[in-house]
Amino acid sequence: KAGVTQTPRYLIKTRGQQVTLSCSPISGHRSVSWYQQTPGQGLQFLFEYFSETQRNKGNFPGRFSGRQFSNSRSEMNVSTLELGDSALYLCASSLVPSAEAFFGQGTRLTVV
Amino acid sequence: KQEVTQIPAALSVPEGENLVLNCSFTDSAIYNLQWFRQDPGKGLTSLLLIQSSQREQTSGRLNASLDKSSGRSTLYIAASQPGDSATYLCAVNLSAQKLVFGQGTRLTINP
Repeated sequence: KAGVTQTPRYLIKTRGQQVTLSCSPISGHRSVSWYQQTPGQGLQFLFEYFSETQRNKGNFPGRFSGRQFSNSRSEMNVSTLELGDSALYLCASSLVPSAEAFFGQGTRLTVV
Repeated sequence: KQEVTQIPAALSVPEGENLVLNCSFTDSAIYNLQWFRQDPGKGLTSLLLIQSSQREQTSGRLNASLDKSSGRSTLYIAASQPGDSATYLCAVNLSAQKLVFGQGTRLTINP
């Protein structure tokens, strides 16, 4: 059974650009959540989707957005990139929101 | 606001020892608590999930307990091995898969 797949694994972008990250959940999982991990702040919740609806959003600026498609795949977008957006972005999926969360390998974003 | 604290921040022990990692949280209104391990530069691997109505869960050499009333969880690792070296994270699920993480315990098992 395939795990959570995140693409791309690595990205280098320039300040001011925008970026889109993709997450394919485990087959049958309908809940997808996103997290940002940095050395200083640790793991912080970005947002969560269930059945194509955003149900929770963390304390991040509006430059961070996401969506979920009918096949449960999810994308997150960051516009007008800043140096501080450099981080490991992790996606998690679960069967339903209260169930065990399984994480992907992450996308390492570097903003220069 | 829910806060999760893990103590110690780092731990180094010789191979074969039994050890305990601690996790505390400030608000007992949680759906569940999950323990993960993270290897350098990698994603998170789920170790154990404890639902809010449960007191403990076991998987192989790992045992996790949950005391919601006191806001504490412990992860017990028996007969530690060098391959157990990693960062261990606990996370409480507040609602709808919104996980709040501790800062982690970096564990080193010395051969």
